[in-house]
Amino acid sequence: DAMVIQNPRYQVTQFGKPVTLSCSQTLNHNVMYWYQQKSSQAPKLLFHYYDKDFNNEADTPDNFQSRRPNTSFCFLDIRSPGLGDAAMYLCATSGSDEQFFGPGTRLTVL
Amino acid sequence: EDKVVQSPLSLVVHEGDTVTLNCSYEVTNFRSLLWYKQEKKAPTFLFMLTSSGIEKKSGRLSSILDKKELSSILNITATQTGDSAIYLCAVRIQGAQKLVFGQGTRLTINP
Repeated sequence: DAMVIQNPRYQVTQFGKPVTLSCSQTLNHNVMYWYQQKSSQAPKLLFHYYDKDFNNEADTPDNFQSRRPNTSFCFLDIRSPGLGDAAMYLCATSGSDEQFFGPGTRLTVL
Repeated sequence: EDKVVQSPLSLVVHEGDTVTLNCSYEVTNFRSLLWYKQEKKAPTFLFMLTSSGIEKKSGRLSSILDKKELSSILNITATQTGDSAIYLCAVRIQGAQKLVFGQGTRLTINP
């Protein structure tokens, strides 16, 4: 039973063309996170929502935005993707200490 | 600045060997430490250790938290090729929703 679902699993976009990644959860967790992970690196937190409260990491570029219209869904918008934004994007949820990750979306920027 | 450091960064062993992965942390106010396994996909949860639960075991995997030394180890006995993965350690701080991740240890098990 999928608990954290990410769509699409693979996304190819062109340099500068906006892209939206989607995450949904069936766990009813109040916290949702977006991470960026590049090859051979640990996940890097971009931002998280505690319910509707948005928390941005200080070093997250303005190019990255997020929306959480309800408890179940959270979106990552990349307004003008650059080549350096090619990465795996991981969504996670948490109801306590544990974080549960979705399968990730691999973003390619051409 | 809160920091989590894992060692070694990379480890190659033969099937059947026992391995020990290390994680040390320097954080302002420790709440819990988590271990994840990551193959070619998203991290999957292994263990969570807290002050009230400093030792966990599941099959061939076990983990211990040493609050005095501010560290944790992850042991894998009788390793199998399916144990090949990146193992991530992360720390949760009191009052914060986020995890601080270490760099990961890339474990390779050769047949």
